[in-house]
Amino acid sequence: EDKVVQSPLSLVVHEGDTVTLNCSYEVTNFRSLLWYKQEKKAPTFLFMLTSSGIEKKSGRLSSILDKKELSSILNITATQTGDSAIYLCAAPQGGSEKLVFGKGTKLTVNP
Amino acid sequence: EAGVVQSPRYKIIEKKQPVAFWCNPISGHNTLYWYRQNLGQGPELLIRYENEEAVDDSQLPKDRFSAERLKGVDSTLKIQPAELGDSAVYLCASSLTITAISGELFFGEGSRLTVL
Repeated sequence: EDKVVQSPLSLVVHEGDTVTLNCSYEVTNFRSLLWYKQEKKAPTFLFMLTSSGIEKKSGRLSSILDKKELSSILNITATQTGDSAIYLCAAPQGGSEKLVFGKGTKLTVNP
Repeated sequence: EAGVVQSPRYKIIEKKQPVAFWCNPISGHNTLYWYRQNLGQGPELLIRYENEEAVDDSQLPKDRFSAERLKGVDSTLKIQPAELGDSAVYLCASSLTITAISGELFFGEGSRLTVL
């Protein structure tokens, strides 16, 4: 069964810290891995990583795909309180367009 | 541009009562998804529509859940009768293309259901 596992499940840091969130996946016919940020209720898209695009960066956020290790990391540098959210990792289930989500990492950034 | 609109935002009902959630996707998005998110879990797909056709409803508990997207635009998800375990946030999402290519689902704010 395809699955996505995230770690840690919860993380508390201070403003200015750098954090690394982990995601490992086991999906057949891997095509892509996606990161979402969920504040309150609606997840919003951050990055999509594929075999042809294994590294993405946007401001203080960056993500890398390691196909050999079947994993991805999401880095946030110089964290701000506004980065507090649940970060979700997902991958399309093999042979379908169904996204399999991990449980998420709840990040809390304290002032 | 308006995002994905869902209603109601919150609903509290007693078990065995019916409940319905409504979703209006982003204009022009042909693909619509209903997800359920339990506390501390990631979203789980219930059903996916391509226009008005349900192309993946394998995770929809069909004995009590039903969904429709009659004109290929807005959609309704119904639960009848509701059970305690149905308490969750029901998220609607839409996309312009299939997920694996574009990667970007646009989610609504969700409908939080509490079954007492």
